Parts: sequence; structure tokens; C-alpha cells
Amino acid sequence: KQEVTQIPAALSVPEGENLVLNCSFTDSAIYNLQWFRQDPGKGLTSLLLIQSSQREQTSGRLNASLDKSSGRSTLYIAASQPGDSATYLCAVSSNTGKLIFGQGTTLQVKP
Amino acid sequence: DADVTQTPRNRITKTGKRIMLECSQTKGHDRMYWYRQDPGLGLQLIYYSFDVKDINKGEISDGYSVSRQAQAKFSLSLESAIPNQTALYFCATSDTGTNYGYTFGSGTRLTVV
Repeated sequence: KQEVTQIPAALSVPEGENLVLNCSFTDSAIYNLQWFRQDPGKGLTSLLLIQSSQREQTSGRLNASLDKSSGRSTLYIAASQPGDSATYLCAVSSNTGKLIFGQGTTLQVKP
Repeated sequence: DADVTQTPRNRITKTGKRIMLECSQTKGHDRMYWYRQDPGLGLQLIYYSFDVKDINKGEISDGYSVSRQAQAKFSLSLESAIPNQTALYFCATSDTGTNYGYTFGSGTRLTVV
């Protein structure tokens, strides 16, 4: 059974700092890995999707990497801003399209 | 208009009542999902549907049922609501054409008293 773990559960950093969020999964037979952002009481916004054949994806200040063999992904946020404060969720998909989520990392960026 | 619309946004209901949460999408995606989110537990899959004639149970389907009325509509029912079904419920869609990139609705906050 696929299990997804995110560390740390919470993170607080000063504005401007670069940071890394971690995601690990137990079964390397994934179809893709997705990172989402969730603001309090809101829905999920897709940030990045990495296919199993890819090693990384970039969007603006965000860079996500995937090491399928070791069951790990990282989300790198450059030059963090207070507006980046949110919960970040990692999820892996099997070839059936079902997503299995981690529990999330809640990020606070202090001005 | 949102690509994935959930109604209602908020609902308070009494124990034992039947309640339906509705989801509609304009993405044209073939796959639809219902997830539940509890604080600190991430999202758990309740039911999913790959097309109108296909319904599958997820991790936590007990106490729930679903109906896929059309490609664009997927509703979730709680036959007899209980307090531990108090949670945030999300509908989502995906499509083989987008490599299963997901689009989520804004969620329904359900409170069972």
C-alpha cells in the first residue's frame, strides 16, 4: 500500500529565505507526483506535476525534483514571501490516476 | 465560473439526516473523485469514477454513496450523517489527456451536530 510522508509538518522562516519541503513515498511504481498549495479553508491549487520519467519541473520561484528510485521529492521555494504562507501537499498517482496524499507541510513566512 | 463547482459551500446538519453534496465540472474530464480532509490527516479518497458507468470505492467509503449522473456531475451522499463525518469535502477531476493533472473544487465544509 502506497504511503506518502511529508517532513516537516510545519515550518516558519523569515522572508527572503530559500527553503525546501520534503516528500517521501514507499512504492516507487508511480505515474506522476504532484505538489499542491492549500490556503486555510480553501481548495487545492496545483503547483507542479512531475511525470515519473522526469527529474524536475520549474514554475517561477518553485522547483520540484523527483527521485523515483529513492522514493523522494523536494519542493524548493526561492526567495520566500509572506504570500507563500500556506499548506503544501504532495501527492503521488498510480497509473490508474488515483492520488495518494501526504499530510502536508504548513509554511509560515514572516515579514 | 469555476472549472469544478461544489454545492453547498457550507452545511450544518443533524445526526441521522440524509445529505447530498454536489459537484459539477466544465473541464470535460472523464474522471471524478470525492475526497475528505480532516485536520492533520491530509486527504483521503472516498469514491472515484472513471466514466459515467464506472464507480469505485476509495479508502474510506463506509457511510457514503455516490452517483455519477452525467460526465460533468458527481454527487456524494451521506445516508445517515454522524458527527465523525464532520470534515471538509473536496471534489476533483482529472483526465488521461492531462496526464492525470488534478483540478479541485473549493470544498464543502460539513458539520454534523
